Amino acid sequence: ETGVTQSPTHLIKTRGQQVTLRCSSQSGHNTVSWYQQALGQGPQFIFQYYREEENGRGNFPPRFSGLQFPNYSSELNVNALELDDSALYLCASSARAGGDYGYTFGSGTRLTVV
Amino acid sequence: AQSVTQPDIHITVSEGASLELRCNYSYGATPYLFWYVQSPGQGLQLLLKYFSGDTLVQGIKGFEAEFKRSQSSFNLRKPSVHWSDAAEYFCAVGARTGTASKLTFGTGTRLQVTL
Repeated sequence: ETGVTQSPTHLIKTRGQQVTLRCSSQSGHNTVSWYQQALGQGPQFIFQYYREEENGRGNFPPRFSGLQFPNYSSELNVNALELDDSALYLCASSARAGGDYGYTFGSGTRLTVV
Repeated sequence: AQSVTQPDIHITVSEGASLELRCNYSYGATPYLFWYVQSPGQGLQLLLKYFSGDTLVQGIKGFEAEFKRSQSSFNLRKPSVHWSDAAEYFCAVGARTGTASKLTFGTGTRLQVTL
C-alpha cells in the first residue's frame, strides 16, 4: 500500500489564473473524490470520479473540473481562480464506488490565491 | 439535505482526563456516520464509522462513539486522553449524490491537551 499522494503540497496563484492539482491513488482504487477545506471549516465535497467518469458533484461551479486516468492518478483543475478558492484541497480514494466509504485521504494541497 | 453540527469549536482537556466530542446530524434515512482526525498539515484519518448494528462503535487509538437515533447524535468519547490526541476532529455523514458517495462534514472541534 503506497497511500494517497498529492502534489504540490503548497501553491500560490494569482486571481484569474488556472491551476492543476494532482493526486496519485492507491493501486486498485478506482474511485477518487476531491474535497475543498477552507480555513476553519470542514471539507466540502467537490466531485467524485469512478472509472474515469464523473459520477457525482457537489455545489461547485463548472470552472472546477477533473480528470481520472487508468493508472489511478487524477487531477483537479480550477479555472479563473478567485480569492475564495484559497483552501486545502484533499483527494480521497477508494476501491469501491461508494460502497463502504472506505476512503483514504491524502495530505492535501494548500492553494493560496492572491 | 444532510448536515452535521459540531457545537464545540474548541475543547481543552488535561492529559488523562476523559473526553467527549459532540456531533449532531440531520439526515432523512439511516445515516452512515464517521469520525475523522486531522493533525496539522495532514490529511484526514478515519477513527471509526457506524453503518448499522451495535450503536456503540469502537475505533482506533482507544476512541469509541455512540449512535443515538432519538437524539440524532454520534458523540465521540475517550476515557483517558493522551497529549498526542491534540488535533482537529471532524464528524461526517455519508450520503449518495447521483451514484457517488459523498461525506458531509461538520466544522470540526479543535482539541487541546494540557499536561
